[in-house]
This record gives sequence, C-alpha cells and structure tokens, in this order.
Amino acid sequence: SQTIHQWPATLVQPVGSPLSLECTVEGTSNPNLYWYRQAAGRGLQLLFYSVGIGQISSEVPQNLSASRPQDRQFILSSKKLLLSDSGFYLCAWGGWLDTEAFFGQGTRLTVV
Amino acid sequence: KQEVTQIPAALSVPEGENLVLNCSFTDSAIYNLQWFRQDPGKGLTSLLLIQSSQREQTSGRLNASLDKSSGRSTLYIAASQPGDSATYLCAVRNRTGTASKLTFGTGTRLQVTL
Repeated sequence: SQTIHQWPATLVQPVGSPLSLECTVEGTSNPNLYWYRQAAGRGLQLLFYSVGIGQISSEVPQNLSASRPQDRQFILSSKKLLLSDSGFYLCAWGGWLDTEAFFGQGTRLTVV
Repeated sequence: KQEVTQIPAALSVPEGENLVLNCSFTDSAIYNLQWFRQDPGKGLTSLLLIQSSQREQTSGRLNASLDKSSGRSTLYIAASQPGDSATYLCAVRNRTGTASKLTFGTGTRLQVTL
C-alpha cells in the first residue's frame, strides 16, 4: 500500500531563518505531488505541484520554493521566512492517474 | 476561477441525529469531488470520492451526492456519534494538463454532543 510521510510535525522558526520541509511517498512511482497551505480561518491553498523529477509548477507568488530531487521526494523551502509564512503545510499525492488526493499529516509552522 | 462554498460553517448536534453538510461550486466542469475529514492539528482523511458521472457514493453511515449541473454536493451522516466531531472539507477537482487541481471549501466544523 502507499503511504505519505511529512516531517517535521511542528516547527518554530525565527523571522529571516531558512526553511526545509520534506515529503516522501512510498509504494508508488512517478506520483503527482502537491504542497498546500492552510492558514488560520482560511481554506487550503495549493502552493506547488510536480508531475516529475525537477518539474515544479507554482500556483501563487510567494516567499517559498519547491523542489523534487527524486521521484518520491518533494521539498518545500524558503531562504528567509516571513511572519506571514506561518501556517499548516500539507503534502499530498494524486493517487492512481492523479484522480484522488491522499494527504500527509502536515507540518505546523510558526514563524516568530 | 473555481470557488467552493460550504454551509454551514459550524454545526452542533446531539448524538444520534442525522445531518447534512452542503457544498456548492461555481464551475460545473469538474473531474470529480472529494469529501475529507480533518481532526484538529491533523492531516486530511479522504472519506468519499464521487466521479463527475456519478450521482452518489456511500461508505458506512456516510452518503455523498453530486448534482454537477447545479454545482452542488451534500454529505449525509446518519446516526451521528461523538467520534464524528471534526471539520469536514469538500474539494472539487479540475484537470489541467498532466496534473489535477483541487479547490477546497473552508469546511464545516461539526460537533456531536452526548
């Protein structure tokens, strides 16, 4: 069976510090991968998606970037965090033929 | 641009009641619709997936319906239990090239009381 892992579960970072969140999927190959952010009181917003190694599409302009160095690894990064980057970050993969989303357990990021 | 609305935003019911959560979307050209459950501080758990050609889907005490032409879906929960307390999210999927994009509603926060 397929599983998706995200870490860390929680993170407190000072403004201006770098960020690296990692997501990996097991039990499948060449998955479509997604990063979402859930801000307090708001719905989930799609940040990035990737259909293959090295292929990144950005949905919204922001202080973050994404990379896909390996088939089943998706990384969310920032060089310098802003207060507005605080939120709950969720990684997802699209299932067989990218028709159903399966989510990781999320990372709660607090920028102080 | 696809927009998804969920009503009500919050709901509190006594245990045993049947309830309906509503979801509406503005662009009916969807690929499918997915209902999720989210417990506080946790990720999303997929509950039901309805393809655009389907009218409804059932899993245990949950039944989801889809009226694509009118841009509406409902999630029916029968005989609610305290363990059903969570936030329920509706998301519609549109295809774009080799990927698909989910647009989420802001959710209905459900509390089932003893």
